[in-house]
Amino acid sequence: ETGVTQSPTHLIKTRGQQVTLRCSSQSGHNTVSWYQQALGQGPQFIFQYYREEENGRGNFPPRFSGLQFPNYSSELNVNALELDDSALYLCASSSPDRVSTEAFFGQGTRLTVV
Amino acid sequence: KQEVTQIPAALSVPEGENLVLNCSFTDSAIYNLQWFRQDPGKGLTSLLLIQSSQREQTSGRLNASLDKSSGRSTLYIAASQPGDSATYLCAAGSGSARQLTFGSGTQLTVLP
Repeated sequence: ETGVTQSPTHLIKTRGQQVTLRCSSQSGHNTVSWYQQALGQGPQFIFQYYREEENGRGNFPPRFSGLQFPNYSSELNVNALELDDSALYLCASSSPDRVSTEAFFGQGTRLTVV
Repeated sequence: KQEVTQIPAALSVPEGENLVLNCSFTDSAIYNLQWFRQDPGKGLTSLLLIQSSQREQTSGRLNASLDKSSGRSTLYIAASQPGDSATYLCAAGSGSARQLTFGSGTQLTVLP
């Protein structure tokens, strides 16, 4: 099985710009969840995609949006970047169709907004 | 709203000690509880997953227990090693999306 991969690993953007982060899910997994982890904190749930539809959303504004593709890979888009968006963005894949719903995470994308 | 708390926030122990990390959650309606390890600046590595119907899981020197009624989980690490130094996060899976709610982690340092 291939693991969860995210790109890019690091990114620097200017306040007000837009950014797209990418995630390839683990083989056989049809669900992708995105999390934001600020320094020194636990990850916070942004949203989840299941079979190309948004399946749940955390307390994040609409400028955080996403997509899931037929191969179950996913994108996270953030518009009008703010300084507080600087964080490690983590993608997790899972398959709720299976008995085990264990989530597997990628290595993350470190976003810095200046 | 699910809230997860981890105690202690940081822990420093000499090599070879057995240790316990604690995790508590406010909503007992969970699907599962998962323990992760995170090295500085890296992603999360899954250590153990306990389904809501289970009481414990073991992997090597790690043992995790779950008590849904009291809203508690513990991660037991036997014979700690310097390579165990990392931040340990617990996460409760709940809600319609079975999303994970994380604690803030316990930063573990094992001294040689």
